[in-house]
Amino acid sequence: NAGVTQTPKFRVLKTGQSMTLLCAQDMNHEYMYWYRQDPGMGLRLIHYSVGEGTTAKGEVPDGYNVSRLKKQNFLLGLESAAPSQTSVYFCASSQGQRETGELFFGEGSRLTVL
Amino acid sequence: GQNIDQPTEMTATEGAIVQINCTYQTSGFNGLFWYQQHAGEAPTFLSYNVLDGLEEKGRFSSFLSRSKGYSYLLLKELQMKDSASYLCVSMDSNYQLIWGAGTKLIIKP
Repeated sequence: NAGVTQTPKFRVLKTGQSMTLLCAQDMNHEYMYWYRQDPGMGLRLIHYSVGEGTTAKGEVPDGYNVSRLKKQNFLLGLESAAPSQTSVYFCASSQGQRETGELFFGEGSRLTVL
Repeated sequence: GQNIDQPTEMTATEGAIVQINCTYQTSGFNGLFWYQQHAGEAPTFLSYNVLDGLEEKGRFSSFLSRSKGYSYLLLKELQMKDSASYLCVSMDSNYQLIWGAGTKLIIKP
């Protein structure tokens, strides 16, 4: 099993460009999450999904959109990238609500916006 | 507001013992987690406490005091590979996770 896979691993964008981060999990987990990690701060939740076809906003959703068309995939989109979105992005999944603390993470995607 | 406090950085010697403290303030409580994150890698789950007391798992132990809003992670027989950041995470009454900024642990020979 691959677990949680994110693509791409690295990306450099210019301000105003758009892109999509892809996340795939093969553990049949219901819950999926997108986090960003910035120096000196805890992980911050961007958006999450509790099942196929559902999404919800997290702590810092502005400037991002998500889709969960298939249970195994969770996409994070940046419509018009800004330098403030320079960060490391982690996708994660978990089995269910009471198990949401035990997350399985992808390797991360390092995004730089110039 | 909801908050997690843990030291920014700690240094310890190979073979020794280190205790990483964490205090939390959350709206309700459904458990306290510790994650390990090596530089440039993803966080990985270490432990989960929901009841008061000590949970031991090999060289790592985690303690919780709900009345004090306090937890610690104890690492014994330190190895160089334990050099990493350790993230304290609290789960609130809505099962939302509140992440600390992490404690960078530096192990010296």
